Amino acid sequence: DGGITQSPKYLFRKEGQNVTLSCEQNLNHDAMYWYRQDPGQGLRLIYYSQIVNDFQKGDIAEGYSVSREKKESFPLTVTSAQKNPTAFYLCASGTGGFVNQPQHFGDGTRLSIL
Amino acid sequence: SQQGEEDPQALSIQEGENATMNCSYKTSINNLQWYRQNSGRGLVHLILIRSNEREKHSGRLRVTLDTSKKSSSLLITASRAADTASYFCATVAAGGTSYGKLTFGQGTILTVHP
Repeated sequence: DGGITQSPKYLFRKEGQNVTLSCEQNLNHDAMYWYRQDPGQGLRLIYYSQIVNDFQKGDIAEGYSVSREKKESFPLTVTSAQKNPTAFYLCASGTGGFVNQPQHFGDGTRLSIL
Repeated sequence: SQQGEEDPQALSIQEGENATMNCSYKTSINNLQWYRQNSGRGLVHLILIRSNEREKHSGRLRVTLDTSKKSSSLLITASRAADTASYFCATVAAGGTSYGKLTFGQGTILTVHP
């Protein structure tokens, strides 16, 4: 089945540690997106990528980094510079330039601080 | 940044009743989308309405769009307990550089009592 896989489902970070969240898609979508969701809030865009080897900052990119070496994969690193990383992280993919198409979401990774 | 507001923030109804949720946004859009999120899960796309459309139906869902008022509504008819979830509106901004990026509202929490 086509879809988006995020791993791990739960992740714990120690102070000063970088952690990486995985996102893989087999929908052959060009565009991929990372969102952060805080309790009772909507989603905010962290980073997005339209094509391989290219990515752009979203609204809240500080303290995060990404890479897009393969079309199928868009990992997100939460660095130690992100002082409030506890949140639910959602990855999505879409057709990008074909804007009248929906995004497809993974089931998220919940990140907490130890 | 959040595009706009959703109203109400929470809605509690009995099975069989209709549920109406409203969404307002601030900038010109290419399309508006509604998504559903079950607790602790990713988002599922429900319906997309383009800026030149006024109404769209999908099963028990009816979406309206009023671009002059920058608002949309989602109506769920004959609700079921399984409709209990959070519902989000999201917009794609008008213009060639949106790349399908979504800007989300805060969401409406719908509870349908059996």
